[in-house]
Amino acid sequence: QVQLQESGPGLVKPSETLSLTCSVSGDSITIYHWNWIRQTPGKGLEWIGYIYDSGSFSVHPSLKGRVTMSQDTSRNQFSLKLTSLSAADTAVYYCARGRRGFAYALDFWGQGILVTVSS
Amino acid sequence: DIQVTQSPPSLSASVGDRVTITCRTDQSVFNYLNWYQQKPGQAPKLLIYGASNLQNGVPSRFTGSGAGTDFALSINSLQLEDFATYFCQQTYTNPIVFGQGTEVVLK
Repeated sequence: QVQLQESGPGLVKPSETLSLTCSVSGDSITIYHWNWIRQTPGKGLEWIGYIYDSGSFSVHPSLKGRVTMSQDTSRNQFSLKLTSLSAADTAVYYCARGRRGFAYALDFWGQGILVTVSS
Repeated sequence: DIQVTQSPPSLSASVGDRVTITCRTDQSVFNYLNWYQQKPGQAPKLLIYGASNLQNGVPSRFTGSGAGTDFALSINSLQLEDFATYFCQQTYTNPIVFGQGTEVVLK
């Protein structure tokens, strides 16, 4: 069974950088697309981006310039960095697996981590 | 960006009812349309992928239909555990976009 688990800080100050890690068990991160999604009451579910293949990644245009993704295949983890945080980045952040051949549907998700941006 | 419009925002129904939620995109996404169910405090759960394919383990009372720009999720004989929020998602092109969600509440 594939399992994903987000980790990182729950509270970050404005203008700082958020670093989140998703640890994957039951599958190799060298296959499929590995996504980050966030959810706020006001904006609903927002796709942030995904990392795939040998570390290539695709990012939502609205976040381009602020987002970096990376992967550590030895630990089977992938990570998100989001810079220049503001209150608008307060959200629950999820990682999820996207399956090629299944319309890139997100079939396994982490439980989510609440990140609050506040001084 | 492809715009995704989901309706209605909420609906009230009774156990045993059949309900239908619709999702419309402003350009064709072929069959790259997926449906999720989310309960409070939980991550979304995949129900339907590729517009009409039932994810493993999902009850057969859930059906997806449509192609191109118009899609629907139907739930036959609504059960207590089906009261939740439902989202559609287009994955045809980046950025991936989710619908705004439909909350199904008990009448």
